Amino acid sequence: EVQLVESGGGLIQPGGSLGLSCAASGFTVSNNYMSWVRQAPGKGLEWVSFIYSDGGTYYADSVKGRFTISRDNSKNTLYLQMNSLRAEDTAVYYCARNWNYAFYWGQGALVTVSS
Amino acid sequence: QTVVTQEPSFSVSPGGTVTLTCGLSSGSVSTNYYPSWYQQTPGQAPRTLIYSTSTRSSGVPDRFSGSILGNKAALTITGAQADDESDYYCVLYMGSGIWVFGGGTRLTVL
Repeated sequence: EVQLVESGGGLIQPGGSLGLSCAASGFTVSNNYMSWVRQAPGKGLEWVSFIYSDGGTYYADSVKGRFTISRDNSKNTLYLQMNSLRAEDTAVYYCARNWNYAFYWGQGALVTVSS
Repeated sequence: QTVVTQEPSFSVSPGGTVTLTCGLSSGSVSTNYYPSWYQQTPGQAPRTLIYSTSTRSSGVPDRFSGSILGNKAALTITGAQADDESDYYCVLYMGSGIWVFGGGTRLTVL
């Protein structure tokens, strides 16, 4: 069974850093395209970052230069390192497997940026 | 700045048919954007309905269908049921690893 489990969310002060993890099972992260998508409270979905199977990475303008997507093939895990966090980064962050140009979702992790 | 447009809200009667659309602020949506559709209820992760314009994801009933209508991608729900009341999102692939979600449509069944 394909499964994605996010962890690492929490409360962080503005300007701080936080890392999210997404443990995958049922498929190999390194052989797949993967994304992070977020949803601010009461708002719609926003694509954040994408990583190709060859390791190429892409970011939304809103997070470029502050967020880094990466993966650990030995742990079959996807990561999102978030630096210089702002109040507007407050959201549920979903890890997703991109298969056939679709998104298949984890359950999400809440990140709250507040003093 | 590319904007993907969706109707903010829509209503349908039980048993009725509704078509939600997904457009571009500039230009037409084609299959080359690989439009996909997602259903989300409050507090839950999105559920994948349709990918690559018209392919239903595993387990999705055939009353959900996807297509290109004119210059937009479309999601049609035939025989709407009460539990179809949800938020629906489309997303387009812009190429070069970039994706853009629409703002979502809140569907009411009443």
